[in-house]
Amino acid sequence: GAGVSQTPSNKVTEKGKYVELRCDPISGHTALYWYRQSLGQGPEFLIYFQGTGAADDSGLPNDRFFAVRPEGSVSTLKIQRTERGDSAVYLCASSLAGRGNEQFFGPGTRLTVL
Amino acid sequence: KNEVEQSPQNLTAQEGEFITINCSYSVGISALHWLQQHPGGGIVSLFMLSSGKKKHGRLIATINIQEKHSSLHITASHPRDSAVYICAVNGGNQFYFGTGTSLTVIP
Repeated sequence: GAGVSQTPSNKVTEKGKYVELRCDPISGHTALYWYRQSLGQGPEFLIYFQGTGAADDSGLPNDRFFAVRPEGSVSTLKIQRTERGDSAVYLCASSLAGRGNEQFFGPGTRLTVL
Repeated sequence: KNEVEQSPQNLTAQEGEFITINCSYSVGISALHWLQQHPGGGIVSLFMLSSGKKKHGRLIATINIQEKHSSLHITASHPRDSAVYICAVNGGNQFYFGTGTSLTVIP
């Protein structure tokens, strides 16, 4: 079956612009996670959805970052007024239920802010 | 201070060697994950374990809950095993990642 997909695979934008990154989880997975990975670092947790609601958004670095999952499947990570420090690979993962379950990762979106 | 520490950071091995990557964590956990990340960024979940030992092909993962330590072993290593191996733990409501071990297996 299809795995987790993310679009776009690469996004180049200018400082100050708004970007949206999309994640399509595995069908039937109620839990969805966003992570950010900077070069040479391990992934860093951003936000976790259980169904349509954000169960834990403690990893979002500031209020320029926002994520939604309106129908409990596809999620969009939104970054306003992008800064060069936002450049990273943004990873999405999904799991069958809650956080104790195996997570399946998407290929990531590489965001470059010039 | 990192909640998850991995060692070594970098590892080079000859094809066929037995490889061990270690992970220590400082928080109470419900599960520990070993992930594999190839160049280009794709992450694959290798193991999720909360006790004992799991084996999949040439890969073996063990965990000692009392010592807060896990190891990932690769037997008969092969160049295609070259990747970054990341240890991650579910600790309470948080998910913590190690910084990864970069493995290069030379033919």
